[in-house]
Amino acid sequence: AQTVTQSQPEMSVQEAETVTLSCTYDTSESNYYLFWYKQPPSRQMILVIRQEAYKQQNATENRFSVNFQKAAKSFSLKISDSQLGDTAMYFCAFGLPGRVGGSQGNLIFGKGTKLSVKP
Amino acid sequence: NAGVMQNPRHLVRRRGQEARLRCSPMKGHSHVYWYRQLPEEGLKFMVYLQKENIIDESGMPKERFSAEFPKEGPSILRIQQVVRGDSAAYFCASSPSGQGAGEQYFGPGTRLTVT
Repeated sequence: AQTVTQSQPEMSVQEAETVTLSCTYDTSESNYYLFWYKQPPSRQMILVIRQEAYKQQNATENRFSVNFQKAAKSFSLKISDSQLGDTAMYFCAFGLPGRVGGSQGNLIFGKGTKLSVKP
Repeated sequence: NAGVMQNPRHLVRRRGQEARLRCSPMKGHSHVYWYRQLPEEGLKFMVYLQKENIIDESGMPKERFSAEFPKEGPSILRIQQVVRGDSAAYFCASSPSGQGAGEQYFGPGTRLTVT
């Protein structure tokens, strides 16, 4: 069974600085997806970034980038130039590609890291 | 193109009542996933449905919980005889195909409070 672990329950960062959130996972599969979701106080789940395991290049979306270490099963999120609007819970998630007639496809989430950006 | 819609956004039920949560997937999406988020926890998978079929209900409690996704209309998550432990946020996500985790779009969630 797959598991996702986020070892930092809470973190804080000063506005405009850089912060890295950690995530490790466990799987015996070779092809899978990894995600970071942001959940602000509104509780809406917002996809921040997605990584496909077969791609060696780390995904980047504006100020958000990941450090994907497949052998170490590590998937950290780096937020550059932190903004007050980045304050939220951040969830790391793992998922498998769907298979015809199969049941895979649901996401497995870590427990989250609460990030506070201070002015 | 409207996103995934869930209603109601907030639902209050007394112990023993029934709760019905609705999810309308994005237009053209025929796959729906339901997740539950307990306080201070991440989301946990409950059930995966395609139109008129339950594909995977391995995360669903064996009793009191049921889900459906009819040919017409929204997907419904039904909780009978609610208890305080059912208080949580319930999210659905939709996908256009059976590509699984690659493409899921989340709704805003329904927060269920059992008094």
